[in-house]
Amino acid sequence: GQQLNQSPQSMFIQEGEDVSMNCTSSSIFNTWLWYKQDPGEGPVLLIALYKAGELTSNGRLTAQFGITRKDSFLNISASIPSDVGIYFCAGRQSGYSTLTFGKGTMLLVSP
Amino acid sequence: DGGITQSPKYLFRKEGQNVTLSCEQNLNHDAMYWYRQDPGQGLRLIYYSQIVNDFQKGDIAEGYSVSREKKESFPLTVTSAQKNPTAFYLCASSPWMQGASYEQYFGPGTRLTVT
Repeated sequence: GQQLNQSPQSMFIQEGEDVSMNCTSSSIFNTWLWYKQDPGEGPVLLIALYKAGELTSNGRLTAQFGITRKDSFLNISASIPSDVGIYFCAGRQSGYSTLTFGKGTMLLVSP
Repeated sequence: DGGITQSPKYLFRKEGQNVTLSCEQNLNHDAMYWYRQDPGQGLRLIYYSQIVNDFQKGDIAEGYSVSREKKESFPLTVTSAQKNPTAFYLCASSPWMQGASYEQYFGPGTRLTVT
C-alpha cells in the first residue's frame, strides 16, 4: 500500500517564528494535499498541489510539490497562536484512486 | 451554505449494539468516504463510494457496512463485529474525475464511544 512519512511529529515554537514540515514517500505521487485539524474537528483543506515543482501559497502558508514527486513541503511564516493544530499531508499515488494520509505534525505556538 | 454534516457529534453505545453514523453533503460531489481516526494516527479509509448504489472497501472495512442510496447521503454502520469501535469517525466528499479522487472536504466528525 501507499506509505507517507510526515515529519516532524510535533513542534513547539514561539509566536512569530517560521515553521517547516514535510511529507515523504518512496513512491511517486501525482497529488499532494495539506490539511489542518483543530481538536475535535474535521480536517480543513489548506492547499492542493497537482504538478511537480508547483509552489502554492494561501496567506502565510506556502506548500511545494517536490520535483521528484516523492515529497511535499509546507511552510508557515510568522506563526500566530491560532496556527496551533495538527497538520496532515495527504497524497494520491500514481495508479491509485484514493488518498493516503500522513500521521500528522502537531504544532504548538507559544505567545 | 455548502458543506458536509455529520450527526450526532458524540455517540455512546453499549458493546454488542450496531450503530449508524449519518453523513450528508450538499456539495454535489460524486464521491464520499468514511475514515477512522485514532489518537496519534493518520486517517484510515473504511469505505468509499464513487457513485450511487456502488461502494468499495478501504483499508479497514471489517466490522463496518455502508449504503449509498442517494448522492447526498452515505451512512456508516458500525456493527458488533468491529472489535475496537471507539474512535473519531470522519466523513468526506470529493469530485471524482478520470477514475480518481481529488480534493476531499471533511465533515466535523462523530466521536463514538462503546463501553
